[in-house]
Amino acid sequence: EDQVTQSPEALRLQEGESSSLNCSYTVSGLRGLFWYRQDPGKGPEFLFTLYSAGEEKEKERLKATLTKKESFLHITAPKPEDSATYLCAVRNSNSGYALNFGKGTSLLVTP
Amino acid sequence: GAVVSQHPSRVICKSGTSVKIECRSLDFQATTMFWYRQFPKQSLMLMATSNEGSKATYEQGVEKDKFLINHASLTLSTLTVTSAHPEDSSFYICSARDRMAVQETQYFGPGTRLLVL
Repeated sequence: EDQVTQSPEALRLQEGESSSLNCSYTVSGLRGLFWYRQDPGKGPEFLFTLYSAGEEKEKERLKATLTKKESFLHITAPKPEDSATYLCAVRNSNSGYALNFGKGTSLLVTP
Repeated sequence: GAVVSQHPSRVICKSGTSVKIECRSLDFQATTMFWYRQFPKQSLMLMATSNEGSKATYEQGVEKDKFLINHASLTLSTLTVTSAHPEDSSFYICSARDRMAVQETQYFGPGTRLLVL
């Protein structure tokens, strides 16, 4: 059975203080690892899809990387508007297109 | 970018009544849509996969007779919570897969907050 574990559960950063969020996964036949951002009371907003170990993707202050066991979401010089819950999800070869989500990391960036 | 809408955004109903939630892909066609449920401070849990023109596939533990799903067109899926009870109160979120997209991506709706009194 797929397992997706995100750490830390919560993270508080000062504006400009770079850090990384972790997503460890166990999946039979990875068909994609996805990062989403979710603001309170809203649906998840797509950030990245990674397919194979060694792959990296960037968008503004965010950079996602992937190994065979985990993915990192690096946040460089965060701003208060980056405060949100960041969700990691995987798709396996047996689940069709359905996603299995981790519990998320709640990020708070203070001025 | 791809946009998915949900209606209503919030609904309050009495115990025993039925509630219908709509999920629409506004600028793309979706042969597959997904329904998730999210309890406070929890992650999204997949309830069912909705396929256009065929029966939905439900996850283990989700009652198909209670959560009726209809995917009547390439841009619309509906979830009906029948005989709702307070324990059904939750945040219901749909997602849609763009069948023409080169990269595998699911786009999520803004969610529907259901409160059953």
